Amino acid sequence: KAGVTQTPRYLIKTRGQQVTLSCSPISGHRSVSWYQQTPGQGLQFLFEYFSETQRNKGNFPGRFSGRQFSNSRSEMNVSTLELGDSALYLCASRPQVGPQETQYFGPGTRLLVL
Amino acid sequence: KNQVEQSPQSLIILEGKNCTLQCNYTVSPFSNLRWYKQDTGRGPVSLTIMTFSENTKSNGRYTATLDADTKQSSLHITASQLSDSASYICVVSLNNNDMRFGAGTRLTVKP
Repeated sequence: KAGVTQTPRYLIKTRGQQVTLSCSPISGHRSVSWYQQTPGQGLQFLFEYFSETQRNKGNFPGRFSGRQFSNSRSEMNVSTLELGDSALYLCASRPQVGPQETQYFGPGTRLLVL
Repeated sequence: KNQVEQSPQSLIILEGKNCTLQCNYTVSPFSNLRWYKQDTGRGPVSLTIMTFSENTKSNGRYTATLDADTKQSSLHITASQLSDSASYICVVSLNNNDMRFGAGTRLTVKP
């Protein structure tokens, strides 16, 4: 099976712009989660989607939003970008929601905000 | 305060040596604990998963231990290789589907 894919892999934006990141989960996986990773903060959970519904949400401002499509693909949007949004954004998929389900991570999208 | 603490923050060892990484957590109700390996520029990859009743789990040269009473876990790497250079992240899953991530240990293996 192909792994989790994320596009684009690298992105440069300026403050105030908005950005959309895309994630295609492993075939058959219905849960998709998004994380922000920075050197100082480590991995921080953004949200998880399952069957097109947001199941869980981290402590991020409303500028961060996401959605999931019927084919389980997911997008994440960040509006009004700030310098502090520069980070590696990771997407992870798993077959179902539940603590016993292992997440499989994509390679990430590295976002630089200037 | 992070509820999953990893130590050391970074570690440099020589190729062929062993090392042990630590993870202490305070969160509950505990479901399982995973160790992930993250190579530079890539997403994390799961190494081991342990539930409450398991106190050791191996994956090749990687051996994880868990003491659920003291809420401590360790990841032992035997006969390190250059390819072991990576960040190692401890993740605790709770029964309510929440997850708590450690900040990671950055391991560098030098020839």
